[in-house]
Amino acid sequence: GQSLEQPSEVTAVEGAIVQINCTYQTSGFYGLSWYQQHDGGAPTFLSYNALDGLEETGRFSSFLSRSDSYGYLLLQELQMKDSASYFCAVRAPSGGGADGLTFGKGTHLIIQP
Amino acid sequence: DAGVTQSPTHLIKTRGQQVTLRCSPKSGHDTVSWYQQALGQGPQFIFQYYEEEERQRGNFPDRFSGHQFPNYSSELNVNALLLGDSALYLCASSLERVSAEAFFGQGTRLTVV
Repeated sequence: GQSLEQPSEVTAVEGAIVQINCTYQTSGFYGLSWYQQHDGGAPTFLSYNALDGLEETGRFSSFLSRSDSYGYLLLQELQMKDSASYFCAVRAPSGGGADGLTFGKGTHLIIQP
Repeated sequence: DAGVTQSPTHLIKTRGQQVTLRCSPKSGHDTVSWYQQALGQGPQFIFQYYEEEERQRGNFPDRFSGHQFPNYSSELNVNALLLGDSALYLCASSLERVSAEAFFGQGTRLTVV
């Protein structure tokens, strides 16, 4: 099976930078995804890392170290609208050949003015 | 281009009843996955459908079943409802069954009383 650990809550100031960490344990591994979910909304895809290194998409960046089973999401120039829950999710192979995502419990990001 | 649509948005059922939830995937997507999200938790993978077949299943009892139609839309059925089945049920579609990016619908909020 798979398990993921991420902090339950992080607080940051508007305009600052925040990093949300994720460690995982899997029996196989394709890649690590990050999703954002506002209260009452649907999860929306932010990024995906299959290989080691940093992927940058605008104000958001995501990092993966496969050898450390570790990744993080970096949010820069924080805005109030970034207040949301952030989930890391692992794609891993299964016997059926298809693969659903295994999600962490989520990190609630609180942005203060 | 419509995204993933789910119906109904909210539903109240009595313990022991049966429920059917529906999902239309994003145009062109052929793979549909279903997730259960309890309050304050991350989505938990129920199962995935591709080419009208269940390809992978998470740790959910047989009371949870599904179907995919030739137009790629999907249904989730839950029999003998328990109070613990109360949750947000999310449908996600992707272009390929191993796609890194899943598009989620707004979900169906199921309350079992």
